[in-house]
Amino acid sequence: DADVTQTPRNRITKTGKRIMLECSQTKGHDRMYWYRQDPGLGLQLIYYSFDVKDINKGEISDGYSVSRQAQAKFSLSLESAIPNQTALYFCATSAGPGREQYFGPGTRLTVT
Amino acid sequence: DAKTTQPPSMDCAEGRAANLPCNHSTISGNEYVYWYRQIHSQGPQYIIHGLKNNETNEMASLIITEDRKSSTLILPHATLRDTAVYYCILQSGTYKYIFGTGTRLKVLA
Repeated sequence: DADVTQTPRNRITKTGKRIMLECSQTKGHDRMYWYRQDPGLGLQLIYYSFDVKDINKGEISDGYSVSRQAQAKFSLSLESAIPNQTALYFCATSAGPGREQYFGPGTRLTVT
Repeated sequence: DAKTTQPPSMDCAEGRAANLPCNHSTISGNEYVYWYRQIHSQGPQYIIHGLKNNETNEMASLIITEDRKSSTLILPHATLRDTAVYYCILQSGTYKYIFGTGTRLKVLA
């Protein structure tokens, strides 16, 4: 079984809808991250969490919110989806500062 | 945060070594060099990292110049499955990775 899973893997939604992307991990890591990737570009950090009570904004947090329900679960919400949020979304985990990150398979989100 | 510069694309013949360069001329003393790759639109996969010494693991070797201003990732015997985008990233022990656009490596049969 994969260490980092994301659901759904693909989603099409309409402008203005609220949508939640979920991430679960079995690696036992405290740190979790949400990234966005636009076509042909690298990943940009949306939010990160160092433990259940510690959540921080990344570079591009506007229009997004997160919830860390447990050590193993980190959800990303788009409060009111807009077409330029169409992108690939990746969740990642790491064991601690300076450690490598493990990425999930991604969610392809399309906002029409 | 220091940034990295990579060539946008490279080709390599199957079975040959692929040498992917990365320039990080403004690297600071506590920043590690990390390499990841992304195959198609899958999640990035960790390859290797180092601080100043050369490193080798089962996937690749990392050569860092003595002044640490550049590095080279070496895939010793490239296969078609190594076709991917390769990202060179600096990280100082905080949360932050800054992903550039990477190098698109195409391994040719």
